[in-house]
Amino acid sequence: NAGVTQTPKFQVLKTGQSMTLQCAQDMNHNSMYWYRQDPGMGLRLIYYSASEGTTDKGEVPNGYNVSRLNKREFSLRLESAAPSQTSVYFCASSEWIPNYGYTFGSGTRLTVV
Amino acid sequence: GESVGLHLPTLSVQEGDNSIINCAYSNSASDYFIWYKQESGKGPQFIIDIRSNMDKRQGQRVTVLLNKTVKHLSLQIAATQPGDSAVYFCAEMRPNFGNEKLTFGTGTRLTIIP
Repeated sequence: NAGVTQTPKFQVLKTGQSMTLQCAQDMNHNSMYWYRQDPGMGLRLIYYSASEGTTDKGEVPNGYNVSRLNKREFSLRLESAAPSQTSVYFCASSEWIPNYGYTFGSGTRLTVV
Repeated sequence: GESVGLHLPTLSVQEGDNSIINCAYSNSASDYFIWYKQESGKGPQFIIDIRSNMDKRQGQRVTVLLNKTVKHLSLQIAATQPGDSAVYFCAEMRPNFGNEKLTFGTGTRLTIIP
């Protein structure tokens, strides 16, 4: 099925460990996004990539890095995980101007202990 | 500041009744609005959208109303079913010279009572 695929679905990390969340879309979208979702906080933008080769900070970029590997893939890296990064992470993609909205992945539930 | 918000964080509706979820936006320049549905453990799913040159749009059992005068958006779900239980988000898009992104509200949790 066409859409946005995120891996892994669940992850538990110890404080200070690193990991990379993977995201891939097969809709030939130009733009991709990483959000985190915390209870009562809604969706907060971490980083986005308007097109292949470009990335920009969103609302809450501290503690994260991203790589737009190619048009299909956009990864999110936590270099040194902290308990405050416990959250559900969503990847999304859209046309360059999201005139038809975003398509979201199913999310990665990350717990940092 | 600019925001997309919701009037009520939770809403409980009897199965079979109609439900209305509201959303306020503060930027009169916003020209595109979307409602998303998020079921437990899943990512947000597109339900319906509306552009600022319209005031009403209907889908299957859902209707979105846009009142630009008071900057208000609503989602009406007809004859609610148990599967409608979810969190509903509104989102807006503002023109930004090719740097458009969606801004999301915090969501309303809709619970359908059997």
